[in-house]
Amino acid sequence: DTGVSQNPRHKITKRGQNVTFRCDPISEHNRLYWYRQTLGQGPEFLTYFQNEAQLEKSRLLSDRFSAERPKGSFSTLEIQRTEQGDSAMYLCASSLVGLALNTGELFFGEGSRLTVL
Amino acid sequence: AQSVTQPDIHITVSEGASLELRCNYSYGATPYLFWYVQSPGQGLQLLLKYFSGDTLVQGIKGFEAEFKRSQSSFNLRKPSVHWSDAAEYFCAVGARSNDYKLSFGAGTTVTVRA
Repeated sequence: DTGVSQNPRHKITKRGQNVTFRCDPISEHNRLYWYRQTLGQGPEFLTYFQNEAQLEKSRLLSDRFSAERPKGSFSTLEIQRTEQGDSAMYLCASSLVGLALNTGELFFGEGSRLTVL
Repeated sequence: AQSVTQPDIHITVSEGASLELRCNYSYGATPYLFWYVQSPGQGLQLLLKYFSGDTLVQGIKGFEAEFKRSQSSFNLRKPSVHWSDAAEYFCAVGARSNDYKLSFGAGTTVTVRA
């Protein structure tokens, strides 16, 4: 399977615990994005990377959230001291942006659903 | 800032009937426009995209969309709906000037009745 892979698919945790999600993008893609989706809403942009550099963080991303892409391949999204409001689907997407025609098309993984009790 | 409005939260359509989902965007420059579909508990799958050229674009699963600059719209259509088209549909806008980050609408849920 050469698509975007996310793990775990589901995570149930107690309030105050830390959780980490992993995303493996399509191998040749240099861009990696994290989005959050709550029930009945569209995905909301959280952050994105060009190779290993984090280019932007949304104001939605509080200090409890940290994302890394250490070698420009897979990425992790960690949430510290989880709160019930963090319950959502966390979507990862990747794309290839370069000198040629850029389509901006994002390829999404199946998401990691977080439930905070 | 770029934004997307999907005016219809929920649409119910009979199998075999036509479907049209509305999308209005707000962006000063020429946008890149996308429609994605999401089945329950799944990620998003691209249906079609518009960057330039012909304003009527064809996508997968028999879907098409028309870009109308004067109306800032990018409506999605399908002539004959199948039960498997029941899902949530998201319109998204991006732009080179915004480094291709996509903004999504709130989505339209499509229910197909037999």
